Amino acid sequence: GAGVSQSPRYKVAKRGQDVALRCDPISGHVSLFWYQQALGQGPEFLTYFQNEAQLDKSGLPSDRFFAERPEGSVSTLKIQRTQQEDSAVYLCASGVLGEGSNQPQHFGDGTRLSIL
Amino acid sequence: AQTVTQSQPEMSVQEAETVTLSCTYDTSESDYYLFWYKQPPSRQMILVIRQEAYKQQNATENRFSVNFQKAAKSFSLKISDSQLGDAAMYFCAYRVSEKLVFGKGTKLTVNP
Repeated sequence: GAGVSQSPRYKVAKRGQDVALRCDPISGHVSLFWYQQALGQGPEFLTYFQNEAQLDKSGLPSDRFFAERPEGSVSTLKIQRTQQEDSAVYLCASGVLGEGSNQPQHFGDGTRLSIL
Repeated sequence: AQTVTQSQPEMSVQEAETVTLSCTYDTSESDYYLFWYKQPPSRQMILVIRQEAYKQQNATENRFSVNFQKAAKSFSLKISDSQLGDAAMYFCAYRVSEKLVFGKGTKLTVNP
């Protein structure tokens, strides 16, 4: 498939555990985004990469959240010492480069994270 | 701060009829982009239609069209000839720098 791939699709963790969510963007897409979608809400921006550079991490809710994209392709969102309020769907999106471009972001199916 | 407001949490429409979903936004920018995304239960956000703010002509994509009123900061989505497959959550989004700012969504039900 040529779309954005996220894994796992579902993740259940106990409070206090660390989790890692993976995103494999569309091949050739320079931009990569992470969004958090709470139940019944719209997605909220977490962080943005252009290639391997993390250009904006203003949406990360705390220092327990960490994202990386070391080779400019696959990205991992890590949440340390998870808390119940971290329960949400985490969406990854990728896009062609271009601030000022009207090119849309292409989204994956998301990872639903449940913290018990 | 940029905000996007969708005032209709839920809407319903009869199959084959027309429905309009509303969206307003707040920005101080003069050039920006607006999008409507559809999210079915599968969770994947699917682009429905996009509009560049500098274009006065309203965007259309088959049965989907927008009514873009820049002065009023309004960006409504019209779905004509509604189909059962149109049932989903619809999100209006505003693009600032690279990131998207989403509204809270409108749940659309299509009745047969």
